[in-house]
Amino acid sequence: AQSVAQPEDQVNVAEGNPLTVKCTYSVSGNPYLFWYVQYPNRGLQFLLKYITGDNLVKGSYGFEAEFNKSQTSFHLKKPSALVSDSALYFCAVRNGDRTSGGYNKLIFGAGTRLAVHP
Amino acid sequence: NAGVTQTPKFRVLKTGQSMTLLCAQDMNHEYMYWYRQDPGMGLRLIHYSVGEGTTAKGEVPDGYNVSRLKKQNFLLGLESAAPSQTSVYFCASSYQGVGTEAFFGQGTRLTVV
Repeated sequence: AQSVAQPEDQVNVAEGNPLTVKCTYSVSGNPYLFWYVQYPNRGLQFLLKYITGDNLVKGSYGFEAEFNKSQTSFHLKKPSALVSDSALYFCAVRNGDRTSGGYNKLIFGAGTRLAVHP
Repeated sequence: NAGVTQTPKFRVLKTGQSMTLLCAQDMNHEYMYWYRQDPGMGLRLIHYSVGEGTTAKGEVPDGYNVSRLKKQNFLLGLESAAPSQTSVYFCASSYQGVGTEAFFGQGTRLTVV
């Protein structure tokens, strides 16, 4: 079975400081990893994804994420946080193994609330 | 460009009533998903579909049924609503392929009293 863990319920950062939102995953086949953001009373918006290749992927609004296969992690980062980055962030994994029962399932973590203070 | 549209946006049901949530996408996506979002639980997959006429169970399928008679529509049914089904429901769709991102609707807030 595949799963995603986001160990922090909330991350607090001062504006202008770097931020990291942590994500670890478990999947039997090749992982396809995604980050989404949710603003209040809205649906989820796609930020970035890792499919293959370079371990550092860049996405929308200055966010980037680093894939680490040995640590099964896909942490979201941003060099300089903005107050407008305050939102709920979700990590997700899709199982790319066609022989497993979980092929095509898109599974999300519990979410991490990011609070950026002026 | 409408994207993913969910109907209705809000609904209050009495215990034991039934209802159907409609998800429609205009992007010609193969894959469609239904999730529920509860505080502290994140998004949990209820059912999903990888093409017209196909459906599969997700993490929390009990108490729900789905149908995908047309490629653009994915219906989620509650046959006999229970207070435990009070939640925000999200539909999503994506192109075929495990590396494609999903697009989400705005959600349906369902309260069962």
